[in-house]
Amino acid sequence: EVQLVETGGGLIQPGGSLRLSCAASGFSVSSTYMSWVRQAPGKGLEWISIIYAGSYTYYADSVKGRFSISRDISKNTLYLQMNSLRAEDTAVYYCAREVPIINWGQGTLVTVSS
Amino acid sequence: SYVVTQPPSVSVAPGETAKITCGGNNIGSKSVHWYRQKPGQAPVVVIYYDSDRPSGIPERFSGSNSGNTATLTISRVEAGDEADYHCQMWDSRSDHPGVFGGGTKLTVL
Repeated sequence: EVQLVETGGGLIQPGGSLRLSCAASGFSVSSTYMSWVRQAPGKGLEWISIIYAGSYTYYADSVKGRFSISRDISKNTLYLQMNSLRAEDTAVYYCAREVPIINWGQGTLVTVSS
Repeated sequence: SYVVTQPPSVSVAPGETAKITCGGNNIGSKSVHWYRQKPGQAPVVVIYYDSDRPSGIPERFSGSNSGNTATLTISRVEAGDEADYHCQMWDSRSDHPGVFGGGTKLTVL
């Protein structure tokens, strides 16, 4: 059974950093597209980053230069390093598998506030 | 970057047909996926690669994509179809391969 479990969210001050983790089971994170998608309270979904099986990475303009996606094959875990956080980054962050997305994690809430 | 536009809301009576659009520059040359999201739940794909339907999704759900508009059509709408619907443009050759629209709230009157 495929499972995705995100951790690492929380309350952080503007300008701070957080690293989100997504522990995967039932498949290898290196074998497929893995994405991060966020959803601000009461808003729609926002694609923010993807890593291809071949290791290409892409970012939304809203996070480019501040966020970094990576994976650890030995731990079968996807990461999102988030730096220079802003109030507008407040959202539930989901990791997601495949294109189209067929598996979602439960989400982890990131709140950026002083 | 690529912009995908959806109407914020669509309302339809039970038994009628709902059409939810997803607009973008020459979106017909890209692929579009549609997701349904009910409150407190993760999204579920209902149409992928423009018009394919996953197993378990009723035949009432269909999709098309041409020109500058992709469309999700839900026939014989039921109360249980009420949800947020999100389209996602997919273009693996793009620097922004997986952009979502803003989402559409489908209300069943």
